[in-house]
Amino acid sequence: GAVVSQHPSWVICKSGTSVKIECRSLDFQATTMFWYRQFPKQSLMLMATSNEGSKATYEQGVEKDKFLINHASLTLSTLTVTSAHPEDSSFYICSAEGTGLTIYNEQFFGPGTRLTVL
Amino acid sequence: GEDVEQSLFLSVREGDSSVINCTYTDSSSTYLYWYKQEPGAGLQLLTYIFSNMDMKQDQRLTVLLNKKDKHLSLRIADTQTGDSAIYFCAEMNTGFQKLVFGTGTRLLVSP
Repeated sequence: GAVVSQHPSWVICKSGTSVKIECRSLDFQATTMFWYRQFPKQSLMLMATSNEGSKATYEQGVEKDKFLINHASLTLSTLTVTSAHPEDSSFYICSAEGTGLTIYNEQFFGPGTRLTVL
Repeated sequence: GEDVEQSLFLSVREGDSSVINCTYTDSSSTYLYWYKQEPGAGLQLLTYIFSNMDMKQDQRLTVLLNKKDKHLSLRIADTQTGDSAIYFCAEMNTGFQKLVFGTGTRLLVSP
């Protein structure tokens, strides 16, 4: 149980286009979803936290107009990279937390989406 | 702010024990975690420890927590080539409900 999927697993796009990444909790209701960014050989950096039905909370330095997050249902959150540029190329990972699933606040991670902007 | 540090690289031979270390700065952390990341994949939770515990053992994994020194370690007994991956420690500050990840340790296990 507690599986999180992401789609697509990889995407290549041209500079200036927008890309949408989906994160789904397959077998539980995710009250909170998190979006992380990981550069090559680096750690995960939290970008934003989203709760279903409310606006996302962005970490300092993350442009909310650039990275649009929608958490419209308890099983789906989307991250849209608007007007993508090569510096946005990265590995984007989502995670989900469900109320009462574990006592230790476990976040269940998706497999990640590799974005390459040409 | 929170800061979590790890050594970058560890190389061991198959069958040996591996010890991966982590230091953190946030004394209000309630849970600390160890995650494994294989190439091009997401994170897999290996184990966790509550901040009022000193040690936790789970099959080949032993976690030691020194809260006074803010030091966390993960020992993998009888390390196998399949254990080669990047290992991240992470702390959870329940006040902010977010995970802060360490810099990651790349473990290479040679036959």
